[in-house]
Amino acid sequence: LAKTTQPISMDSYEGQEVNITCSHNNIATNDYITWYQQFPSQGPRFIIQGYKTKVTNEVASLFIPADRKSSTLSLPRVSLSDTAVYYCLVGVVWGGGNKLTFGTGTQLKVEL
Amino acid sequence: DADVTQTPRNRITKTGKRIMLECSQTKGHDRMYWYRQDPGLGLRLIYYSFDVKDINKGEISDGYSVSRQAQAKFSLSLESAIPNQTALYFCATSDFGGGPGTQYFGPGTRLLVL
Repeated sequence: LAKTTQPISMDSYEGQEVNITCSHNNIATNDYITWYQQFPSQGPRFIIQGYKTKVTNEVASLFIPADRKSSTLSLPRVSLSDTAVYYCLVGVVWGGGNKLTFGTGTQLKVEL
Repeated sequence: DADVTQTPRNRITKTGKRIMLECSQTKGHDRMYWYRQDPGLGLRLIYYSFDVKDINKGEISDGYSVSRQAQAKFSLSLESAIPNQTALYFCATSDFGGGPGTQYFGPGTRLLVL
């Protein structure tokens, strides 16, 4: 299993860009990297997914270096409503075998 | 209506009791998952199913069993509940998009085992 490591917590202010890095040194060739957001008492919600290089959607960007041993979730111009736990997920569920690993999550706190 | 629903939302039980947590989905996805969440440990995969005839153990399946009654229904059972199974349980579904797919999570079931 590809184990992941994320910072436990981060603080930011409204309007700033936030970058959260996830380390996954033993990522496998077939593994994808997916980030989820979770608010208290709710299930996680998909943010973005990628395999290599850079992926961007309407809410975030995901940067993956060539060696794929880490990835960085970038949230542009955060607001108070972005206060949540962010999870890095590395793996894939194809065929047999359990190859899904969630990180422990990063608690992002956004202040005025 | 929510795409992924879980019942009950909260449950208190006693040690040794058998309980079942139910999950239903209207997304038409073949893949369903059960996760457990504990403070400081993130989400851990208990069981997953690719279709009605497929059941797979996850990272922490000991003490749990599952049943995939239909494409839309996936139940998690604790045959003899113990206090360290007190946790927040999430059901999720996913499609198959070439990668791991996007998982859609239910609202969770908060379980307390006394």
